[in-house]
Amino acid sequence: EPEVTQTPSHQVTQMGQEVILRCVPISNHLYFYWYRQILGQKVEFLVSFYNNEISEKSEIFDDQFSVERPDGSNFTLKIRSTKLEDSAMYFCASSEVGVGSGANVLTFGAGSRLTVL
Amino acid sequence: DAKTTQPPSMDCAEGRAANLPCNHSTISGNEYVYWYRQIHSQGPQYIIHGLKNNETNEMASLIITEDRKSSTLILPHATLRDTAVYYCIVRVPAGGYNKLIFGAGTRLAVHP
Repeated sequence: EPEVTQTPSHQVTQMGQEVILRCVPISNHLYFYWYRQILGQKVEFLVSFYNNEISEKSEIFDDQFSVERPDGSNFTLKIRSTKLEDSAMYFCASSEVGVGSGANVLTFGAGSRLTVL
Repeated sequence: DAKTTQPPSMDCAEGRAANLPCNHSTISGNEYVYWYRQIHSQGPQYIIHGLKNNETNEMASLIITEDRKSSTLILPHATLRDTAVYYCIVRVPAGGYNKLIFGAGTRLAVHP
């Protein structure tokens, strides 16, 4: 079964450092998303991406965050200068383009745990 | 998107059916009901979705009331591996774009 792959599974970084989290969405999917989950809290939407541009972003997704599709397979989330409160699980997801309710199913990756010290 | 209400937690004995309710009294005619679950900090996993009719797949059954104001996710024979947080989300399909907003969900504990 196709899956969304995320790397690294766990990253530890110092406050103020830049972090890049990587995702390989399902190959025929064209909508990409990043979510995060702070320990013990809800899964929160960060950003969606389609046709090489951001289609929607949340208030959380400030200037410290950016997303990119550098090639035909990867989708990245960059945090420029990490803060302690960025410590969380980050989930990438993708969905295919098409009509019908089934096209709207999101497939999530296993997540990248970011720990900021 | 219609707001949903789920109980914060439920228990179920292994091997028994788990029935997870969801209220969505403000659902509109073109909104679907989607169910996802999250097993212990893993990525959310799609389970099933439906509009009006009851639906069944290899994971679960979804029963939607005739007025569509509530639904029930049924895991017919719960196992310990079904212990997870279950999310009911109501959403209009939009050509594939599906920004899901997760609530607190129902924490299902399956015990031996």
